[in-house]
Amino acid sequence: DAGVTQSPTHLIKTRGQQVTLRCSPKSGHDTVSWYQQALGQGPQFIFQYYEEEERQRGNFPDRFSGHQFPNYSSELNVNALLLGDSALYLCASSFVDRPSYEQYFGPGTRLTVT
Amino acid sequence: DQQVKQNSPSLSVQEGRISILNCDYTNSMFDYFLWYKKYPAEGPTFLISISSIKDKNEDGRFTVFLNKSAKHLSLHIVPSQPGDSAVYFCAASRLYGGSQGNLIFGKGTKLSVKP
Repeated sequence: DAGVTQSPTHLIKTRGQQVTLRCSPKSGHDTVSWYQQALGQGPQFIFQYYEEEERQRGNFPDRFSGHQFPNYSSELNVNALLLGDSALYLCASSFVDRPSYEQYFGPGTRLTVT
Repeated sequence: DQQVKQNSPSLSVQEGRISILNCDYTNSMFDYFLWYKKYPAEGPTFLISISSIKDKNEDGRFTVFLNKSAKHLSLHIVPSQPGDSAVYFCAASRLYGGSQGNLIFGKGTKLSVKP
């Protein structure tokens, strides 16, 4: 059983560009959450998707948007990239109706903005 | 304002001894607390969790203790092994609409277990 997968592994972009990151959840999971982890910090919640809708959102600007597809996979889009967007982007999947259940994380996408 | 705090950036322990990692939180409304372990170039891996209505949960070598009055939790690893060397994150969660909410993480504690 494949766990959470993310693509690409690494990405280098220029300031002002746009980027799309992809995530496939663990088999059977219906909820996908995205987190940003800056160097030396813990992961910070960006947003959560369930039933193809944004269910919850953290304190991130509108430049960060997402999508969930019918097969539960998800994309994270970031527009007008800033140097400060350089970070590890983590995707996590889980069951929405099992609040005590842990979120499973993927290996992350390392984004570098130059 | 950080709602979940891990005040020790690093901890070094001898193999076979106990490792104690600490975490403090400010929001008394959290419903669940979780510990994750992270190796370089990998995503966080779930270790153990505890509901806010419990004060202890044990799973093999890992035990989490919750002190609600002090808003403090700790992770005990006994005995510590070199393979436990990693960054440990404390996380907290509130129910959202009666279902799973997002995780709020501390900054992590780097544990080094020396042979």
